[in-house]
Amino acid sequence: GAGVSQSPSNKVTEKGKDVELRCDPISGHTALYWYRQSLGQGLEFLIYFQGNSAPDKSGLPSDRFSAERTGGSVSTLTIQRTQQEDSAVYLCASSGDRGKGGLHFGNGTRLTVT
Amino acid sequence: RKEVEQDPGPFNVPEGATVAFNCTYSNSASQSFFWYRQDCRKEPKLLMSVYSSGNEDGRFTAQLNRASQYISLLIRDSKLSDSATYLCITSGTYKYIFGTGTRLKVLA
Repeated sequence: GAGVSQSPSNKVTEKGKDVELRCDPISGHTALYWYRQSLGQGLEFLIYFQGNSAPDKSGLPSDRFSAERTGGSVSTLTIQRTQQEDSAVYLCASSGDRGKGGLHFGNGTRLTVT
Repeated sequence: RKEVEQDPGPFNVPEGATVAFNCTYSNSASQSFFWYRQDCRKEPKLLMSVYSSGNEDGRFTAQLNRASQYISLLIRDSKLSDSATYLCITSGTYKYIFGTGTRLKVLA
C-alpha cells in the first residue's frame, strides 16, 4: 500500500556520529510531521512541514537537529554529533488536511546511540 | 498543566467487559479530535475521529463534550486484541497535541 515509508527501520550508531533519517509521506499529503518517542514515553513533537517550508520547528531539541523537505515530498531528519540521549524511535507522519484529517504514521526509525 | 491529559492506567479488565477512557484538553480553540491506538513498539494508528454529535464504530463509541472540554472512548465487549495504549489527540489549525496515552490490558 502507499503508506508513509521511513528508512532505515533501525539504526545503531556511535556517539558523535551524524545520522540521517528519511521519510516518504503519502502521495499528495502536504503536511509532514516528525515526532520522537522514547521507551515508555509519549510522543514528542519535533517539526512540522507544510509543503517545503517548516513553519514550526519549535520541538527540535537542539541545533544538532535539522530537517528539510524537498519537492513537497520526501523529508530527511539529520542529527549531528549524536548523543546517547538521542536514542529513541523517530516517527514521521503525514496529513492531507491540515489539522483535520488525522495523521498517518510510518513505522518509525529506531535509533540507538552507543 | 498539560494540554491534553489522560489517566495513564493501566486499566485491567476481563474479556467481555465494557471500559471507558476520558481525556481532557485545555485549548478551547481545538477543532478536531481523534483516538489513536498504539501497540507495544509499533506506530500509532488512527482508531476513530471524534465528532461533535458522537460517533460509533462497531464496539467503539466516541463522545465529545466541548463545554467541559473532554472526549471519551467506550469499548464494549472487550477482546484480548484490544490490549494496547489509547492516545487522545486534539488539533487546531495544523498542530496535533497528543496525550500520553491510557494503557488497557484485557485479561482472559
